[in-house]
Amino acid sequence: AQKITQTQPGMFVQEKEAVTLDCTYDTSDPSYGLFWYKQPSSGEMIFLIYQGSYDQQNATEGRYSLNFQKARKSANLVISASQLGDSAMYFCAMRELIIQGAQKLVFGQGTRLTINP
Amino acid sequence: KAGVTQTPRYLIKTRGQQVTLSCSPISGHRSVSWYQQTPGQGLQFLFEYFSETQRNKGNFPGRFSGRQFSNSRSEMNVSTLELGDSALYLCASRKQGLSTDTQYFGPGTRLTVL
Repeated sequence: AQKITQTQPGMFVQEKEAVTLDCTYDTSDPSYGLFWYKQPSSGEMIFLIYQGSYDQQNATEGRYSLNFQKARKSANLVISASQLGDSAMYFCAMRELIIQGAQKLVFGQGTRLTINP
Repeated sequence: KAGVTQTPRYLIKTRGQQVTLSCSPISGHRSVSWYQQTPGQGLQFLFEYFSETQRNKGNFPGRFSGRQFSNSRSEMNVSTLELGDSALYLCASRKQGLSTDTQYFGPGTRLTVL
């Protein structure tokens, strides 16, 4: 079974600093996808970034980048120049493929990020 | 393009009642998945629908059911509510049912069972 581990329950960072949120995963499937989602206090899960297991380069989306180390089975999210609006829960998730194109996401426990002014 | 919408946003029910939650996917998206989020168990997959057929189901009792309509809108139903069913229920949609698609989530329905 696939498993996602996020070891940082909470992180506190000063505004404008860079922050790295850790994520390690375990799977026996050679083809997999890793996602990061942001969940503000409102509850909505906001998609941030995606990394496929066969992607040659680390994914980037604006201030978000993914430090993908396949051999170490880690997919850490890096947020550059943090802003107050980045304060939220962050979830790492792995796509588990089922037959006939069905899929489900397996989530980690999340990291609560707080940006201090 | 409008995102995933869920109604209602908040719901209060008592034990033993039943509840129906609704989800409208992003236009053009044909796959809808449901997840339950609780402080103790985190985010757990409930089921996925595609073309009005349930393709995958998580490890939840039969009290949890769902369906999808021809316009891809989906509903989930929980019968005989228990206190432990209090949770944020999130719906997610993706396009065309391809295995590589990204799931986009709605704002959730927060269910409180008293």
